[in-house]
Amino acid sequence: AQSVTQLDSHVSVSEGTPVLLRCNYSSSYSPSLFWYVQHPNKGLQLLLKYTSAATLVKGINGFEAEFKKSETSFHLTKPSAHMSDAAEYFCVVRPFNFNKFYFGSGTKLNVKP
Amino acid sequence: DTEVTQTPKHLVMGMTNKKSLKCEQHMGHRAMYWYKQKAKKPPELMFVYSYEKLSINESVPSRFSPECPNSSLLNLHLHALQPEDSALYLCASSQDRTGNYGYTFGSGTRLTVV
Repeated sequence: AQSVTQLDSHVSVSEGTPVLLRCNYSSSYSPSLFWYVQHPNKGLQLLLKYTSAATLVKGINGFEAEFKKSETSFHLTKPSAHMSDAAEYFCVVRPFNFNKFYFGSGTKLNVKP
Repeated sequence: DTEVTQTPKHLVMGMTNKKSLKCEQHMGHRAMYWYKQKAKKPPELMFVYSYEKLSINESVPSRFSPECPNSSLLNLHLHALQPEDSALYLCASSQDRTGNYGYTFGSGTRLTVV
């Protein structure tokens, strides 16, 4: 069975401090993994993707994620949070050779001044 | 052009109305998708079109009727909806049905059924 677990429904950080949004997945053999961001009343924007190349993936707006197969994790990080990062973040897995995306339940990131 | 454009942005309709949502992309993508997103929830897949043919219907009620007239356009026809159908409807596209490179999402249509 395929599943995605975002371990925190809410994360709150101060501006300028690091961000860590956690994601664990359950999938057979070489999934593709994605992080999307959704600002209020907006669509989803692709932050970054892992598709079996380098395990450390750099995305837009200073975000990056590391694919750790042994831990079945794909955590999203950013060294220094900005107020504009406040949004909902979704971890998404697409199992190998399977045309369906599985969304995590989302993590709402709050950035305090 | 790297966008998926959805119209209208907002729609209010009565339970006896017929309306349509429109989605357009000019990226040459050959797979297009409809998702439904309720407040504070992740998107839920409704339909997948691949090369203008319906390939996945996630057991969506018949009051939702998708249509893909050509490779750039995807419609969702709505008829006799219920208040619980109120949600953000998102359209997405991908290069092909594998979705290997991710989906490009539109900004959505906020639908309210009264």
